[in-house]
Amino acid sequence: GAGVSQTPSNKVTEKGKYVELRCDPISGHTALYWYRQSLGQGPEFLIYFQGTGAADDSGLPNDRFFAVRPEGSVSTLKIQRTERGDSAVYLCASSTRQAPRGELFFGEGSRLTVL
Amino acid sequence: KNEVEQSPQNLTAQEGEFITINCSYSVGISALHWLQQHPGGGIVSLFMLSSGKKKHGRLIATINIQEKHSSLHITASHPRDSAVYICADSNTGTASKLTFGTGTRLQVTL
Repeated sequence: GAGVSQTPSNKVTEKGKYVELRCDPISGHTALYWYRQSLGQGPEFLIYFQGTGAADDSGLPNDRFFAVRPEGSVSTLKIQRTERGDSAVYLCASSTRQAPRGELFFGEGSRLTVL
Repeated sequence: KNEVEQSPQNLTAQEGEFITINCSYSVGISALHWLQQHPGGGIVSLFMLSSGKKKHGRLIATINIQEKHSSLHITASHPRDSAVYICADSNTGTASKLTFGTGTRLQVTL
């Protein structure tokens, strides 16, 4: 596609539910990043994929968070047993090359609200 | 631990003014990014630089590696420049991971 596409743009869920957030990167971009941005804060790194594999998942806050990219293109961020503290905007970015050498292209984000 | 600090946190300017936003980081970096985020919108990459200076239209970014400092300048500011400007760095030890500052909220008025 023309840009990085994220769905849904908004998601409201109840505490304890399971949530999936999808990222469709720019075609041909091998690097894909997930970030989380809380209100008034800068984005916080979650996980980085190079191709199909998670090259760095050190930013995932706990084992309720998991992400996959099975075919090296679309990625899904999965959150189990959601908590109110998970409420944030989840940003996806893609790049032709591993940061910092590649310019990042961001999606519009998925705003998650956990009630 | 790598920390990225921006100043000022909030900035109000009148149309036409020259604007400077500063960014300091604590450890050696591979590259520094300047990004723009509009309210309710996504993030757009403005610059990626590892040395010297880059210019794009009315925007100029500079970096001083020795002082671990970067600046973003906007010449002849316009209300459409109103946004949050974020700097992010990638330090030499963790090239895959960007550390973001908290952003500078810029409001340009007529």
